[in-house]
Amino acid sequence: EVQLVESGGGLVQPGGSLRLSCAASGFTFSSHWMSWVRQAPGKGLEWVANINQDGSEKYYVDSVKGRFTISRDNAKNSLYLQMKSLRVEDTAEYYCTIDVSGSYWGQGTPVTVSS
Amino acid sequence: DIQMTQSPSSLSASVGDTVTITCRASQGIGSNLAWFQQKPGRAPKSLIYAASSLQSGVPSKFSGSGSGTDFTLTISSLQPEDFATYYCQQYNGYPLTFGGGTKVEIK
Repeated sequence: EVQLVESGGGLVQPGGSLRLSCAASGFTFSSHWMSWVRQAPGKGLEWVANINQDGSEKYYVDSVKGRFTISRDNAKNSLYLQMKSLRVEDTAEYYCTIDVSGSYWGQGTPVTVSS
Repeated sequence: DIQMTQSPSSLSASVGDTVTITCRASQGIGSNLAWFQQKPGRAPKSLIYAASSLQSGVPSKFSGSGSGTDFTLTISSLQPEDFATYYCQQYNGYPLTFGGGTKVEIK
């Protein structure tokens, strides 16, 4: 059974940092693109970043470029999102997903940026 | 950026109805389109990829069609568990973009 379990979310002040993790199981993690998608409270879905199978290609939405870094550790079947210089508008539920087409989603981890 | 426009933004339907949701891309995206279902407080779930391919385990009451700029998601014989918000997403070019969502409510 495919499982994606996000962790690392929480409350942080503007300008702060957080590192999200996504533990993957039930599929060959190293064979798939992986993505982060977020959803602000009461809003729609927004793609944040994705990474190819060996980590050599990374793409970001403009609003997080230079502040967020996506990475992966295929030996640990884990995906990460390092978030710096967080802003109030980064407040959202963050999901990790498999493939550019979002074939499977984790349950999400909440990030709240507030003073 | 490729803009994805869904219509309607909401609709009311009865159990047993068939509903169609439309998604239009601001430029051609081939068949690089996915559809998702999201229920309140839950993570989205993949329904369709490549515009018309059913994700594993998804019932055949869900069907997708289209290519280029115009796409549809059809849900036949609506059941109580189908009342949710549906999103389309293009993955033809970066940034990947979602439609604004269509909320399907019980009439």
